[in-house]
Amino acid sequence: GQSLEQPSEVTAVEGAIVQINCTYQTSGFYGLSWYQQHDGGAPTFLSYNALDGLEETGRFSSFLSRSDSYGYLLLQELQMKDSASYFCAVRSVDTGRRALTFGSGTRLQVQP
Amino acid sequence: AAGVIQSPRHLIKEKRETATLKCYPIPRHDTVYWYQQGPGQDPQFLISFYEKMQSDKGSIPDRFSAQQFSDYHSELNMSSLELGDSALYFCASSTETGGYGYTFGSGTRLTVV
Repeated sequence: GQSLEQPSEVTAVEGAIVQINCTYQTSGFYGLSWYQQHDGGAPTFLSYNALDGLEETGRFSSFLSRSDSYGYLLLQELQMKDSASYFCAVRSVDTGRRALTFGSGTRLQVQP
Repeated sequence: AAGVIQSPRHLIKEKRETATLKCYPIPRHDTVYWYQQGPGQDPQFLISFYEKMQSDKGSIPDRFSAQQFSDYHSELNMSSLELGDSALYFCASSTETGGYGYTFGSGTRLTVV
């Protein structure tokens, strides 16, 4: 089987930097994705890492270490609108050709 | 830009009834996925279609079935509904050539009473 572990909640203040970690166990790993979801809304794609290293997209960066089965999402210059749930998700042989398995999500609360 | 369209947005059904959810993927996206998300839960993969053929199957109950039609829209059919089927149902589409990001629709909130 497969599993993904991420913290359930993180709290930070506006303007700060926060890192959300994700560890995974799966076979035939293809890549790690991150999605943002506001309450009642649809998940929104943030980033995808297939190879080791850092991917940067504006205020968001994502990192992957395949040897450690570990990745993180880094959010910089936090804004109130960043308060949402963040899910890591894996593509792997276990899930099939392209389907994603999501972690349980990290609820980020940004405070003034 | 075109997005993934789902209908209806909200649906209320009684136990043992049948429901049909519809999804219109982004044009030229070759894969459609269905996910179920319970309150406070992560999205659970149900089933996917690649070029109108079923490609992967997740935790989809036998009471549910899905198909993708010639115009690429997809339908999720749910029969003998149970209270536990109450959830948000998301459809997503993607294309490998455009990267591996899914675009999700706004979801259908199904309430079974």
